[in-house]
Amino acid sequence: AQSVTQLGSHVSVSEGALVLLRCNYSSSVPPYLFWYVQYPNQGLQLLLKYTSAATLVKGINGFEAEFKKSETSFHLTKPSAHMSDAAEYFCAVRVNTGFQKLVFGTGTRLLVSP
Amino acid sequence: NAGVTQTPKFRVLKTGQSMTLLCAQDMNHEYMYWYRQDPGMGLRLIHYSVGEGTTAKGEVPDGYNVSRLKKQNFLLGLESAAPSQTSVYFCASKDGGAGKTGELFFGEGSRLTVL
Repeated sequence: AQSVTQLGSHVSVSEGALVLLRCNYSSSVPPYLFWYVQYPNQGLQLLLKYTSAATLVKGINGFEAEFKKSETSFHLTKPSAHMSDAAEYFCAVRVNTGFQKLVFGTGTRLLVSP
Repeated sequence: NAGVTQTPKFRVLKTGQSMTLLCAQDMNHEYMYWYRQDPGMGLRLIHYSVGEGTTAKGEVPDGYNVSRLKKQNFLLGLESAAPSQTSVYFCASKDGGAGKTGELFFGEGSRLTVL
């Protein structure tokens, strides 16, 4: 079954530091992968998506993710964290089981300190 | 440009009461979904619909019912609320057209507390 695993329920960084949020996937077919961000008391917003066109995907707010088939990973990075990046981040994989649905990871809360 | 709108945004129920959450989307999307979000568990799919008049069960359907009488609306009902249904509920929609990548568009959530 297709699934994603997010390592670390909480990640803390200082403002200006590198952000790295980890996501590993399990899929027997080429996956479509997504990163969503959830700000406090809001819904989920798409950050970026991998659809097999290019392995390095750039998203909104300076985030990017690299698809690595050999490592079954799709880690999210940002070179320099900003206070406004504090939020919860979800990795998801598209599952084609009769209809299309997304299966989400358990989420990683990013904390940014001044 | 409203996107996906959920009502109500907050609700407190007593055990055994019933209620309905309404989701409305203005993007003419075929697919609609109801998820629940609980701490440490991510989002879990409750029910979904692939078109007007059709519904199906997701991962955690027990205690919930749904209806999709109009393409733009997807209702989630709790017939007899239980404390285990205390959660944040998210509605999402997706364009079901061929070649679409599967991106979901989410509402802002409905926070339900069952006492």
